[in-house]
Amino acid sequence: GNSVTQMEGPVTLSEEAFLTINCTYTATGYPSLFWYVQYPGEGLQLLLKATKADDKGSNKGFEATYRKETTSFHLEKGSVQVSDSAVYFCALSAAGSARQLTFGSGTQLTVLP
Amino acid sequence: GAVVSQHPSRVICKSGTSVKIECRSLDFQATTMFWYRQFPKQSLMLMATSNEGSKATYEQGVEKDKFLINHASLTLSTLTVTSAHPEDSSFYICSAPATGQSRHEQFFGPGTRLTVL
Repeated sequence: GNSVTQMEGPVTLSEEAFLTINCTYTATGYPSLFWYVQYPGEGLQLLLKATKADDKGSNKGFEATYRKETTSFHLEKGSVQVSDSAVYFCALSAAGSARQLTFGSGTQLTVLP
Repeated sequence: GAVVSQHPSRVICKSGTSVKIECRSLDFQATTMFWYRQFPKQSLMLMATSNEGSKATYEQGVEKDKFLINHASLTLSTLTVTSAHPEDSSFYICSAPATGQSRHEQFFGPGTRLTVL
């Protein structure tokens, strides 16, 4: 079956530090890959996505590249801000899955001023 | 982006009672909605797929008689937790997929915190 393995947290960084959250997946075919973010007290929001191999998704300074050879979709940001503190979820939508999402376990990020 | 609402945002009930949670797509139609359950500090687990005009599709291990789903219209799906017990306490989240160019995206509701005493 499909699965997503995500770096365990929590992750605590100082403002302006470099962020990497690792994500690898297992799926048949060519899934679409996503990073969702959940701010405290809010619902999940799509942060970025990539729908085919070698695509790079980017938004709000975050980036992730769809690497089929390593089945990975690592999230990176060059300089985090306090406002980036949230829980980040890696997810995939497998081909033919009626757009159901399979989520990773989530990574809590706390950015300190 | 599109908005999905959930009501109530939190509910506390006694063991043995039933609780209904509503999920609405506010500015778009959704023939399909998804219901997830999220345990503390854990990921979202898909419970079922709600289909307008037909029966819901439940994931393995989810009791369909326990978690009743009704997709009453193109903008409303309801999840009823029947005869709730403390182990049903959780955070329930719904989502609806986008259409057209954004079809790879899903819009999530803010979630409903259920506490069963």
